[in-house]
Amino acid sequence: DGGITQSPKYLFRKEGQNVTLSCEQNLNHDAMYWYRQDPGQGLRLIYYSQIVNDFQKGDIAEGYSVSREKKESFPLTVTSAQKNPTAFYLCASSGRDRQNSPLHFGNGTRLTVT
Amino acid sequence: QKEVEQNSGPLSVPEGAIASLNCTYSDRGSQSFFWYRQYSGKSPELIMSIYSNGDKEDGRFTAQLNKASQYVSLLIRDSQPSDSATYLCAVNRGFQKLVFGTGTRLLVSP
Repeated sequence: DGGITQSPKYLFRKEGQNVTLSCEQNLNHDAMYWYRQDPGQGLRLIYYSQIVNDFQKGDIAEGYSVSREKKESFPLTVTSAQKNPTAFYLCASSGRDRQNSPLHFGNGTRLTVT
Repeated sequence: QKEVEQNSGPLSVPEGAIASLNCTYSDRGSQSFFWYRQYSGKSPELIMSIYSNGDKEDGRFTAQLNKASQYVSLLIRDSQPSDSATYLCAVNRGFQKLVFGTGTRLLVSP
């Protein structure tokens, strides 16, 4: 079955440590996205990538980094510079018609930093 | 003013009733609109998309779009307790810019 796989489901880290969240898709989608969800604030766009080896900052990119070395993979690194990293992180992808294609989401990674 | 606004709720309806969820958006250039359902602790799941003015029906769900008034709504007929979730409105206001509302929590009581 095609889909988006995020791992791990839960992640715990100490403050000051970098952490990388995995996102893999086998939908053959060109575009991939990372969103962050906090209670009462909806989804906010962190980074997105339209094609391999290219990505753009979203609305809240500070303290995060990404790479897109393969079409199927779009890992997100939460760095120690991110001031409030505890959140629910969602990876998504969309098809070729980026203007009208809906996003398909992975199951999310819940990150807790103490 | 937020780009996409939704009443946070909760919206409480009895089983079998029609639930009406509303969303307004600020950018007149927005071209595509989506409704997602999100159960607590889970990721959003697409339930409807709509691109032109009018109604679009899919099973018990009807999406309504009025670009002149800048609102999009979702009607759920014959509401079931399993419909209890948060419903997110998302608006594509340009290339790669999908903006989400904060969601409306729906509670359907048996």
